[in-house]
Amino acid sequence: AQKVTQAQTEISVVEKEDVTLDCVYETRDTTYYLFWYKQPPSGELVFLIRRNSFDEQNEISGRYSWNFQKSTSSFNFTITASQVVDSAVYFCALSEAWNSGGYQKVTFGTGTKLQVIP
Amino acid sequence: DAGVIQSPRHEVTEMGQEVTLRCKPISGHDYLFWYRQTMMRGLELLIYFNNNVPIDDSGMPEDRFSAKMPNASFSTLKIQPSEPRDSAVYFCASSYETPGLGVETQYFGPGTRLLVL
Repeated sequence: AQKVTQAQTEISVVEKEDVTLDCVYETRDTTYYLFWYKQPPSGELVFLIRRNSFDEQNEISGRYSWNFQKSTSSFNFTITASQVVDSAVYFCALSEAWNSGGYQKVTFGTGTKLQVIP
Repeated sequence: DAGVIQSPRHEVTEMGQEVTLRCKPISGHDYLFWYRQTMMRGLELLIYFNNNVPIDDSGMPEDRFSAKMPNASFSTLKIQPSEPRDSAVYFCASSYETPGLGVETQYFGPGTRLLVL
């Protein structure tokens, strides 16, 4: 069975601090996908990233970066120089992957609520 | 593009009634997803389509739920009969995958807030 653990329920940081959101996963699959989503206080959902288990390269997008480590089954998300607009609930997710592409059985973590204090 | 459009934005119905949620994906996107979010169960992927074909419906909770995508620009999620435990926010999303790069970008609609009394 798949499992995603986001042990940090809530995090508060002061603006401009760096913050890392942890995501630890469990799966027996050799091929899988990992995801991060953002949900601001307004309630909409924002897709941040999808990463294939074959690709362990770290990803950077502006102030956002993701560190994927198969050895520790972790896919952590770091926000550099946090801003008030980063305040949101962040969800990590895991899915099985098919050899032909596509995925199934997505398992979500319970989310980490990040509050950035001005 | 107007983004992913969902209707209605809010729905209040009584237990036993049929509920139909609608979604119009972004033009050119070949994937469409239905998600559900509740306090008790968190976020769940219910079903997704690729080129109008359902690919994975393992998240559909039971036979009362059905989803269709008759064409590339429209999808419905139907609950019949509805029950109070179906109360949730239902999100639709559409995505495309950059050819050759395997990079996916999903765009979400604003959600439909469903309350079943």
